[in-house]
Amino acid sequence: DTGVSQNPRHKITKRGQNVTFRCDPISEHNRLYWYRQTLGQGPEFLTYFQNEAQLEKSRLLSDRFSAERPKGSFSTLEIQRTEQGDSAMYLCASSLSAGPTPLHFGNGTRLTVT
Amino acid sequence: AQTVTQSQPEMSVQEAETVTLSCTYDTSESDYYLFWYKQPPSRQMILVIRQEAYKQQNATENRFSVNFQKAAKSFSLKISDSQLGDAAMYFCAYRSEGGGSEKLVFGKGTKLTVNP
Repeated sequence: DTGVSQNPRHKITKRGQNVTFRCDPISEHNRLYWYRQTLGQGPEFLTYFQNEAQLEKSRLLSDRFSAERPKGSFSTLEIQRTEQGDSAMYLCASSLSAGPTPLHFGNGTRLTVT
Repeated sequence: AQTVTQSQPEMSVQEAETVTLSCTYDTSESDYYLFWYKQPPSRQMILVIRQEAYKQQNATENRFSVNFQKAAKSFSLKISDSQLGDAAMYFCAYRSEGGGSEKLVFGKGTKLTVNP
């Protein structure tokens, strides 16, 4: 168990640019989640995959955001035409099943949009 | 929609003392799960303790225990014999049981400082 890995750890971009983040979950976990955390707030749910299927999306996930999980392994989160309001920590988590099973979180990718 | 409220933005405790962090939630569901997660500075979030709503017995994990009051929709975390390593942000979280949604709904967190 090498844990959930997220890359890059930090990303600084100019407004209007596109960015892509990667998440590698724990290998046997079939569920993968993306959350966004702004300063002073708890994580907010963005989207969730079971294997390669994207099963749930938050209203926070505007049409500028897209997430994929090809082949049910790693996942990418792309933000197009970034805005300053997109500045946040983007957290990825994975789990083996639903219900009371805890989520295992990565260290996150901190995005700063200038 | 479910909401989670943590009314204490910050708390402090002396090393070896006991501290209780508060959490209330709002839901119309009868079956759900509640969690406390810990997020140390610049480190990943980890699970502290969890509680199934159908269980009347309060969960305990070593120095961590909860006081789950289902009727009051309250889920507080008690940390006994506080240690310096307990210093972190603590988040209370709610998850539905069934119904198709697997998202965790988090509170805003409580920053815990442990004084030596």
